Amino acid sequence: QVQLQESGPGLVKPSETLSLTCTVSGYSISSGYFWGWIRQPPGKGLEWIGSIYRSESTYYNPSLKSRVTISVDTSKNHFSLNLSSVTAADTAVYYCARGRVTTVTLYYFDYWGQGTLVTVSP
Amino acid sequence: DIQMTQSPSTLSASVGDRVTITCRASQSTSSWLAWYQQKPGKAPKLLIYRASSLESGVPSRFSGSGSGTEFTLTISSLQPDDFAIYYCQQYNNYPQTFGQGTKVEIK
Repeated sequence: QVQLQESGPGLVKPSETLSLTCTVSGYSISSGYFWGWIRQPPGKGLEWIGSIYRSESTYYNPSLKSRVTISVDTSKNHFSLNLSSVTAADTAVYYCARGRVTTVTLYYFDYWGQGTLVTVSP
Repeated sequence: DIQMTQSPSTLSASVGDRVTITCRASQSTSSWLAWYQQKPGKAPKLLIYRASSLESGVPSRFSGSGSGTEFTLTISSLQPDDFAIYYCQQYNNYPQTFGQGTKVEIK
């Protein structure tokens, strides 16, 4: 059974960098699939942040691209999100998820982590 | 970005009702559309992919249809466990985008 678990600080100061890790169990992260981050501000909808494929290719939402980095550590079977220069607008529940490939670059998310709330506040 | 618009935003229904949620895209997404169910404090759960394919383990009372710019999610007989928020997601174009959600509440 594939499981994903987010971890990282729950509180980040404005202008600093938000860093989260998603640890995957039950599947080797290097074997394929996309691995992505999605966020949800309190009481609002879902926003795709970005995804990575096989440690090689990264895809970012243009609205966040200048501030986002996603990377993979295959030795630890986890992938990470860094979001720089955060503001209160970045306060959200952050989810990691596995992207099931339908064609070369098209995928939807079949397994999700439970989510972690990150608050941006002084 | 492709805008996804769901209607209605809130739907009041009773157990046993047939429920239909609509998702409209601002441009064609072919059949590359998924539906998710989210309960309070939980992660979204995949229900439907490729517009009409039922995810393994999802009850058969859920079904999806449509292509191009108009899609529907139907629950044939609403059960107590189905009261939740439902989101559509297009994954045909970057960036992937989600609808704003439809809350199904108890009438």
